[in-house]
Amino acid sequence: QKEVEQDPGPLSVPEGAIVSLNCTYSNSAFQYFMWYRQYSRKGPELLMYTYSSGNKEDGRFTAQVDKSSKYISLFIRDSQPSDSATYLCAMSPRNTGFQKLVFGTGTRLLVSP
Amino acid sequence: DSGVTQTPKHLITATGQRVTLRCSPRSGDLSVYWYQQSLDQGLQFLIQYYNGEERAKGNILERFSAQQFPDLHSELNLSSLELGDSALYFCASSRSSGTSGRAYNEQFFGPGTRLTVL
Repeated sequence: QKEVEQDPGPLSVPEGAIVSLNCTYSNSAFQYFMWYRQYSRKGPELLMYTYSSGNKEDGRFTAQVDKSSKYISLFIRDSQPSDSATYLCAMSPRNTGFQKLVFGTGTRLLVSP
Repeated sequence: DSGVTQTPKHLITATGQRVTLRCSPRSGDLSVYWYQQSLDQGLQFLIQYYNGEERAKGNILERFSAQQFPDLHSELNLSSLELGDSALYFCASSRSSGTSGRAYNEQFFGPGTRLTVL
């Protein structure tokens, strides 16, 4: 069983929809939680970072961490065709800080006009 | 553009061969990380160097090795290549070593090198 599980998709939504992307994990030591966006033939780029539990909002993006359920989410409001990409969750435990990120396999999102 | 450069973009080689992938970090970044991305395994951390020294190791095979040079660029050497080594290899860089602390040490990823082993 992988430490981080993520539905590969693809997830297809119409423009303007609210998108929910999720990851579950098994390692209770994970303290740092990140979401990366990866466009086709590009490297991942950081979208959101959250330390421990709680919510964080940045424009149309909201990240949520529920450590009791070992579940993290990324919500995208008013989705746009330019949001079409693969979204990767990543996390790491406190004792290794940000060195050894553990990634999910990614969810491919398609937003149609 | 993240500021991290990787060469070559594509590499096609045969089983048993050896290749070298190169990475130049963003200006001012001291840490370099190497990742392997395959369809079934996703993005996997291989190894980290900080200011020339190995700092963290992930699931890196013994056939793979890396180093970071005084000018901070890094090379990943892959030898005795197998079909299963075909993947995207990403380099990332960050300002600090990334050890514990709440201040996030963001990793900036390069565009990757696509390796195909035939």
